[in-house]
Amino acid sequence: EVQVVESGGDLVKPGESLRLSCAASGFSVIDAWVTWVRQAPGKGLEWVGHIESQSDGGTIEFAAPVKGRFTISRDDSKNVLFLQMNSLTSEDTAVYYCATKYPPVGAHVFDSWGQGTLVTVSS
Amino acid sequence: DIAMTQSPDSLAVSLGERATINCKSSQNLLYSSNNKNYLAWYQQKPGQPPKLLIYWASTREVGVPGRFSGSGSGTDFTLTIDSLQAEDVARYYCQQYYTGLSFGQGTMVEIK
Repeated sequence: EVQVVESGGDLVKPGESLRLSCAASGFSVIDAWVTWVRQAPGKGLEWVGHIESQSDGGTIEFAAPVKGRFTISRDDSKNVLFLQMNSLTSEDTAVYYCATKYPPVGAHVFDSWGQGTLVTVSS
Repeated sequence: DIAMTQSPDSLAVSLGERATINCKSSQNLLYSSNNKNYLAWYQQKPGQPPKLLIYWASTREVGVPGRFSGSGSGTDFTLTIDSLQAEDVARYYCQQYYTGLSFGQGTMVEIK
């Protein structure tokens, strides 16, 4: 069964950094298209960024609000994906979801989601 | 960036009746080389992550009930829920994946 589990959410101060993890099971992260989506309290879904499978080029893209501050990386040996978030602001406060669809269907759509991890940025 | 606008923001439908949600993109989502519309629909219930319902505008995800259907092309799309059930109460989002990703603001479906 394809599963993803996020972790690493915390309360941090503006300007600080945080790294979220997305642990995968039932598939290899190197072979999947994986995305990060966030949802501020009471708000809608917002795409954060994604990474494509290595065989499809491993392209990484980010949404404009986080470009230059957030990065995505993988630890293939541990089958974990990371979202490194720097220079955090209150606007980044949200539940962060990791999601994928495996096997890939050549589209950035996602049928396997974690339960999310809460990031709160506040002084 | 492609902006996605859903209408209405909320709607109340009687059990067994049809619910229709519209989604309009600011740019064409039909990729001419494969004739596919890069548009998906999700359902989200309170306290839960989203659930994929439809992709390629009209392809139903495995396990999704047949009362859910997607239609449209180019910039205008529709999610239809035939014979609304109590368990369909949720917020529904459209998502484009033509360039980057972006979601509509969501449509809340309730029982009248």
